[in-house]
Amino acid sequence: EPEVTQTPSHQVTQMGQEVILRCVPISNHLYFYWYRQILGQKVEFLVSFYNNEISEKSEIFDDQFSVERPDGSNFTLKIRSTKLEDSAMYFCASSERLAGPTDTQYFGPGTRLTVL
Amino acid sequence: AQSVSQHNHHVILSEAASLELGCNYSYGGTVNLFWYVQYPGQHLQLLLKYFSGDPLVKGIKGFEAEFIKSKFSFNLRKPSVQWSDTAEYFCAVNANNQGGKLIFGQGTELSVKP
Repeated sequence: EPEVTQTPSHQVTQMGQEVILRCVPISNHLYFYWYRQILGQKVEFLVSFYNNEISEKSEIFDDQFSVERPDGSNFTLKIRSTKLEDSAMYFCASSERLAGPTDTQYFGPGTRLTVL
Repeated sequence: AQSVSQHNHHVILSEAASLELGCNYSYGGTVNLFWYVQYPGQHLQLLLKYFSGDPLVKGIKGFEAEFIKSKFSFNLRKPSVQWSDTAEYFCAVNANNQGGKLIFGQGTELSVKP
């Protein structure tokens, strides 16, 4: 069964550094998402992406964050200047359609980001 | 704003016990409802989903959930749990008119004792 993959599995960085989290969505999917889960808290929506542009973003997704689909397979989340509070598990997800019976979002295994 | 509430933070059961995990959401419009499971060391996997039709939906591994619109609830059930059901369970809601964004509950950790 096709899977969403994410790299790296764990990223440690210094505060103020830029990080890029990478995701390879399922190949025929058109909608892409990033979520994050701070330890002990809920999984939170960050951003959705379709047709090479952001469809929706949460208030968490400020100017420090950006997303890109640099080629036909990767989907990346960049944090320009990391803060301590960015430490979290970041999940990528993809779906075939936006809404309807086939819009199940398939999640990747996550990247644990630790900001020191 | 939409929100999802899961009543139990941690549930401990013995094998063969019945399971019911509560999930309530707050949103007045049409919603799609999901239960995801995360086994230790693995990624979030879809257990079951409700879009329309029969409010009792069956998912994988013997799980089912019932959508009760009047109660804004979507409780997850399994008549007899197994040790392998030990995992974290997440209820999630997607509002039909708000794109694909999923709003998650805080998760319920289920521990099944052999």
